[in-house]
Amino acid sequence: DTGVSQNPRHKITKRGQNVTFRCDPISEHNRLYWYRQTLGQGPEFLTYFQNEAQLEKSRLLSDRFSAERPKGSFSTLEIQRTEQGDSAMYLCASSPGGRELFFGEGSRLTVL
Amino acid sequence: AQSVSQHNHHVILSEAASLELGCNYSYGGTVNLFWYVQYPGQHLQLLLKYFSGDPLVKGIKGFEAEFIKSKFSFNLRKPSVQWSDTAEYFCAVNAGGATNKLIFGTGTLLAVQP
Repeated sequence: DTGVSQNPRHKITKRGQNVTFRCDPISEHNRLYWYRQTLGQGPEFLTYFQNEAQLEKSRLLSDRFSAERPKGSFSTLEIQRTEQGDSAMYLCASSPGGRELFFGEGSRLTVL
Repeated sequence: AQSVSQHNHHVILSEAASLELGCNYSYGGTVNLFWYVQYPGQHLQLLLKYFSGDPLVKGIKGFEAEFIKSKFSFNLRKPSVQWSDTAEYFCAVNAGGATNKLIFGTGTLLAVQP
């Protein structure tokens, strides 16, 4: 499968713990996006990378959230000191530079 | 700020019924418009897209959408739904700029009864 790959698919953690999600985009896609989706809502934009540069961050991305794309390939999204309100599906998407985004299956986070 | 409104949150239809899902966006400039579909347990998949040209666009699985600029609308249609169309449908707008990020609506959950 050459689509966008995300792992882990599911993560259950206790409040206050740190979690990290990984996204492997489609090969040669230089643009990478993170979104968050909660029940009954559409995906909400979190942050955007062009190659290794993080060019935009949403106000939703509090200082407990950090995202990296160190070599312009895979990306990680870390949440520190998780809170119950962080429970959501975290989606990664990549794009070859055009206007269409290709989404992964998401990483579901449950904070107890 | 750009926003997208989907008026129908939950739609229930019988097989062979016609479908129309509403989508309105707020942005005065040039937009690119999308419909994505999420089948149960699967990832978001592109159903169709509008960039320019013919405002009536055709997508996969018999879906089509019409861009009406004067109404800021991009409604999704299908003349005859099937049970396999049961899914959540998201309208999205890309207002350009440096990021080309998509702004999504809240989604419409479609249940098709056999």
